[in-house]
Amino acid sequence: GQNIDQPTEMTATEGAIVQINCTYQTSGFNGLFWYQQHAGEAPTFLSYNVLDGLEEKGRFSSFLSRSKGYSYLLLKELQMKDSASYLCAVRDSNYQLIWGAGTKLIIKP
Amino acid sequence: GAVVSQHPSRVICKSGTSVKIECRSLDFQATTMFWYRQFPKQSLMLMATSNEGSKATYEQGVEKDKFLINHASLTLSTLTVTSAHPEDSSFYICSARDLAGDTGELFFGEGSRLTVL
Repeated sequence: GQNIDQPTEMTATEGAIVQINCTYQTSGFNGLFWYQQHAGEAPTFLSYNVLDGLEEKGRFSSFLSRSKGYSYLLLKELQMKDSASYLCAVRDSNYQLIWGAGTKLIIKP
Repeated sequence: GAVVSQHPSRVICKSGTSVKIECRSLDFQATTMFWYRQFPKQSLMLMATSNEGSKATYEQGVEKDKFLINHASLTLSTLTVTSAHPEDSSFYICSARDLAGDTGELFFGEGSRLTVL
């Protein structure tokens, strides 16, 4: 079956750096997405990786290793507003998005 | 980025009534829209894929007669929850993909929180 794993919850301190990991096993691979979702709101797009390597976008970076079925989202200079759930999603060979359960990130002052 | 608007954002209804949720792509054409359901503290669950001008494709376990989807134009898809019951209370989210873009990024509506009394 298809599976996306990411930690359920993480805690970090304001101003610090946090890395949220995502491992996947899917039938085929056509890209990996990271979304941010604040409680009670719809997800918002953060990043997209289809080739191996690091994609940097401001305070957020996303890394992909297709051979390892692994990605991480790196958040730097954490702010309180970064407290949210972070969803990893993989597009499989049928171009269907398979969603992880999300990682709830708690930022402490 | 592209904008998807969803309406209403919150709706409370009595058990047995039907509720319609609209999803509009405001500045792009979406031949395909997706409807998700999300329970508290859980991830998005794809309910169905809405295709303009044709029948929706429902995921396994989703009752097509209960969750009616209509995609009559390139910018509008509707989800109707028929004969709603308290267990249908959930957060419903639509999304669309701007095919003109290159990543296939999904743009989400604001979501609709349905409470069935």
